[in-house]
Amino acid sequence: NAGVTQTPKFRVLKTGQSMTLLCAQDMNHEYMYWYRQDPGMGLRLIHYSVGEGTTAKGEVPDGYNVSRLKKQNFLLGLESAAPSQTSVYFCASTGTFLSYEQYFGPGTRLTVT
Amino acid sequence: RKEVEQDPGPFNVPEGATVAFNCTYSNSASQSFFWYRQDCRKEPKLLMSVYSSGNEDGRFTAQLNRASQYISLLIRDSKLSDSATYLCVVNPHPGRRALTFGSGTRLQVQP
Repeated sequence: NAGVTQTPKFRVLKTGQSMTLLCAQDMNHEYMYWYRQDPGMGLRLIHYSVGEGTTAKGEVPDGYNVSRLKKQNFLLGLESAAPSQTSVYFCASTGTFLSYEQYFGPGTRLTVT
Repeated sequence: RKEVEQDPGPFNVPEGATVAFNCTYSNSASQSFFWYRQDCRKEPKLLMSVYSSGNEDGRFTAQLNRASQYISLLIRDSKLSDSATYLCVVNPHPGRRALTFGSGTRLQVQP
């Protein structure tokens, strides 16, 4: 049982390049989330999903797109990376409607030059 | 105003000390409250939920004051391993399945 995994762990992009971050969970969780964490800002919610095939915008969705084609995977896309998207990205999941405990992946450190 | 505000610290305390952190939240409709712990360059992990009546888990005690809209975390008999950043977490919109995280309070326990 790996929990929540994220791919890749590190990435350096040039401005304007695109990439996709993959989050996978093997706990059969319904709810999945993408956050970014910047120094002094705390975790900010980018997008989230309440089930397979559904997504919703969070606090800072601009410049990102997401897809949840399979229950266990939640993809975060950057179509045209900007230096302001340099951050640590965390994925998380929650199992049931009654539970707010979020299980986090180890994070992806992204630098955009 | 931020939805969840915390003193960033750092709080530098000797081993064995008692330390307390507070956190304030702005949305009075918030219904669920938590403390998460985050070690340096690691992912956050749930430390404990915070209940209206207050709750204790070993050396850790959490309190909620709805009237003043603040949450506290008390750590007794601090250990070196308690050194971490403590995140105050609130669900400000009960109809949504999303949490709001404070920016964290850093604790450094010194030998």
